[in-house]
Amino acid sequence: NAGVTQTPKFRVLKTGQSMTLLCAQDMNHEYMYWYRQDPGMGLRLIHYSVGEGTTAKGEVPDGYNVSRLKKQNFLLGLESAAPSQTSVYFCASKGATNTEAFFGQGTRLTVV
Amino acid sequence: QKEVEQDPGPLSVPEGAIVSLNCTYSNSAFQYFMWYRQYSRKGPELLMYTYSSGNKEDGRFTAQVDKSSKYISLFIRDSQPSDSATYLCAMTKPNTGNQFYFGTGTSLTVIP
Repeated sequence: NAGVTQTPKFRVLKTGQSMTLLCAQDMNHEYMYWYRQDPGMGLRLIHYSVGEGTTAKGEVPDGYNVSRLKKQNFLLGLESAAPSQTSVYFCASKGATNTEAFFGQGTRLTVV
Repeated sequence: QKEVEQDPGPLSVPEGAIVSLNCTYSNSAFQYFMWYRQYSRKGPELLMYTYSSGNKEDGRFTAQVDKSSKYISLFIRDSQPSDSATYLCAMTKPNTGNQFYFGTGTSLTVIP
């Protein structure tokens, strides 16, 4: 049972480049989340989804887009990367009857 | 002002000490209270969760919630070097699409 898997684990981008982070969960969870984690800032919610085909903005959505075409996948896109988007990105999922969220191992993104 | 406040530390204690980690929150609508543990370069993992005021014990860990004071605590007894990690409090409230509200995390080091 893999749980929540994030791809890639590391990436270096040049300013202005685009990329997509993939999150896949095999627990049939309804809810999925994308967070970024920066020193002294904790986990900040970027976007989330309450079910297949739905997305919603979190606390820091600017510069990011998401899609949830399949229940098990939640994609995070950066259209034009900026150095301020250098961070560690975590995906999480939660079932409708669960209390807790399950996290992936994170993606370390550096924008130069 | 963030809805959930947590002292970032860092906290350094000798092996065997009792550790107290705390969070305060401002919104009385929060219902579920969680503690996550995050090892370096890993994703957060759920340690404990509670729903109501009072104490919940699990081995060396005790979670305490005081809703009247809007204050939650995590106590670690007989702390071990393997407890060295960042501890994040998290909470949820109704009608928010199951969003999690995280503290910034407290970095703990247990010295052998």
